[in-house]
Amino acid sequence: GENVEQHPSTLSVQEGDSAVIKCTYSDSASNYFPWYKQELGKRPQLIIDIRSNVGEKKDQRIAVTLNKTAKHFSLHITETQPEDSAVYFCAASPYNTDKLIFGTGTRLQVFP
Amino acid sequence: IAGITQAPTSQILAAGRRMTLRCTQDMRHNAMYWYRQDLGLGLRLIHYSNTAGTTGKGEVPDGYSVSRANTDDFPLTLASAVPSQTSVYFCASSPTSGGDGEQFFGPGTRLTVL
Repeated sequence: GENVEQHPSTLSVQEGDSAVIKCTYSDSASNYFPWYKQELGKRPQLIIDIRSNVGEKKDQRIAVTLNKTAKHFSLHITETQPEDSAVYFCAASPYNTDKLIFGTGTRLQVFP
Repeated sequence: IAGITQAPTSQILAAGRRMTLRCTQDMRHNAMYWYRQDLGLGLRLIHYSNTAGTTGKGEVPDGYSVSRANTDDFPLTLASAVPSQTSVYFCASSPTSGGDGEQFFGPGTRLTVL
């Protein structure tokens, strides 16, 4: 079955710097890759997603890149702000399985 | 509009007891999911349902059962709770079946099994 690995587990950056979180997946048939943000004590919420027919997607300060050959995808946050502090989860959906497999999460701390 | 709700918010349960976690959505979403969240392990899928009347097993289904009698409700039952089932449980729903669409999460249930 699909296995999603996420690195790093924790990441600390200065406000205004960029943050990058990387994920690898094992099933080459996976075709949907979302990123969820979970603030402390809150529920996970989708922030951006990408499908396998696209290499990059941007939404203001966040972007996701996908390398299908290497089976990895990354979340990029530019000009980080304290409110970006949260746990971020990547996920992958193997084709025709009805499931979403999550990575283990990255705790991002943005220091003012 | 409530969206997706879960009950109870938290529960302390003695080992061996039966417990049902409730999940209700009013968005008429086809697909619903149950995850457990444990520190360092992320979100792991327990069971899912693509539409009323159908269910499927996720990554960690043992010790749990679900039913989907209608579109709105997707209860999760622990037949005989064990301490390893101590976790935060999230229900989610999606307008898209197949796992390849946005999932909307409930507020979670914190369950402690002693």
